[in-house]
Amino acid sequence: AQSVTQLDSQVPVFEEAPVELRCNYSSSVSVYLFWYVQYPNQGLQLLLKYLSGSTLVKGINGFEAEFNKSQTSFHLRKPSVHISDTAEYFCAVSGLGGSYIPTFGRGTSLIVHP
Amino acid sequence: DSGVTQTPKHLITATGQRVTLRCSPRSGDLSVYWYQQSLDQGLQFLIQYYNGEERAKGNILERFSAQQFPDLHSELNLSSLELGDSALYFCASSPRDLQSTYEQYFGPGTRLTVT
Repeated sequence: AQSVTQLDSQVPVFEEAPVELRCNYSSSVSVYLFWYVQYPNQGLQLLLKYLSGSTLVKGINGFEAEFNKSQTSFHLRKPSVHISDTAEYFCAVSGLGGSYIPTFGRGTSLIVHP
Repeated sequence: DSGVTQTPKHLITATGQRVTLRCSPRSGDLSVYWYQQSLDQGLQFLIQYYNGEERAKGNILERFSAQQFPDLHSELNLSSLELGDSALYFCASSPRDLQSTYEQYFGPGTRLTVT
């Protein structure tokens, strides 16, 4: 079955440190890739998306992600995190099985410590 | 603020009951999507409506139904509720079909607790 895997359920990090949240998917066809952020008691907000073109995608709040087709990965990075980045992050993939409805990973909880 | 509104924010009800969740999409958006977020299943797609018609179906139980009205707001009806239906229910909208826009805008969710 086609799927999206977020390898870490929780990532603790100190403020101003770099962070990488990992996402892998299984698909043999072209896909579209997304990262969403969910702050406590809020809905999901789009951070960035890859549809085509440059494999390095820049998003809001200083986040970026790199699409690696050979490794079927779309890892999210930020060079220096802030306390306010504490949230749940979801990787999503559409185009799996020919559907444009995104399949979401289980989420990674980023916890930024002072 | 995404522009998508959902009511109510919280809902507590008993097993066997029926509830209706409401969603108003962003102004001008024709597509509405419903998702269920639970601890054990993660974020699961339930159903999509596009301009009043059902467009795609996901893991939606037969006890659940939805519709989209002429003013484009949508309602998700959950009946014969079970404890396992306790979850966050999100609505999302997009201007057209995802095939052309790819991007969804999520509402704040309705937290349903079944006791």
